[in-house]
Amino acid sequence: QVQLVESGGGVVQPGRSLRLSCAASGFTFSDYALHWVRQAQGEGLQWVACISYDGNYEYYADPVKGRFTASRDSSKNTVYLQMNNLRTEDTAVYHCARASSPFGTAVAGIYAFDFWGRGTVVTVSS
Amino acid sequence: DIQMIQSPSSLSASVGDRVTITCRASQSITGYLNWYQQRAGRVPKLLISAASTLQSGVPSTFSGSGSGTDFTLTISSLQPEDFATYYCQQSYTTPLTFGGGTKVEIK
Repeated sequence: QVQLVESGGGVVQPGRSLRLSCAASGFTFSDYALHWVRQAQGEGLQWVACISYDGNYEYYADPVKGRFTASRDSSKNTVYLQMNNLRTEDTAVYHCARASSPFGTAVAGIYAFDFWGRGTVVTVSS
Repeated sequence: DIQMIQSPSSLSASVGDRVTITCRASQSITGYLNWYQQRAGRVPKLLISAASTLQSGVPSTFSGSGSGTDFTLTISSLQPEDFATYYCQQSYTTPLTFGGGTKVEIK
């Protein structure tokens, strides 16, 4: 069965960095784009970033552009989200989610997030 | 950015009721619209993709319709496990955006 397991969250001060990981299993990792979606406590869902199935394309939401970097390692079936210069407004649960259609290189298209990880909590506070 | 506006933001209903949630996009997204259910303390679950395609394992009491800017999620007969928050999401263009959510509560 498809599993996505995030790790790497924690409590950090503003301006510091964290690297999140999402370990994938149960599907052909190199066939699917993976996304990061965050949810602040009691709030709605916000798309953060996407990395294409082949790792050649990355897309970011404006609030994180220039600060966050997505990457993937097919040898480890893992995607990463490097988060630099963190702000208090980045505080949220960060979910990894799989794009439902394989071989996606564009961030837009006829697909949905068909599997989600439970998330890892990031708290940015002084 | 495409804004996704859901209404209502919350509703109270009884088991067996028919419930309709609407999602309006600030510009046409053709049929690139997905619906998710999030129960309290759980991760979102994909219910409907491409406006009207029911996902495997999702009860047939759920249905989706619409195109362009106006979309609807209908629960034909509300069950106890359906009390949750529902989100629409567009995949038409970047940035991908979600509606603010509709919380379905027990009356």
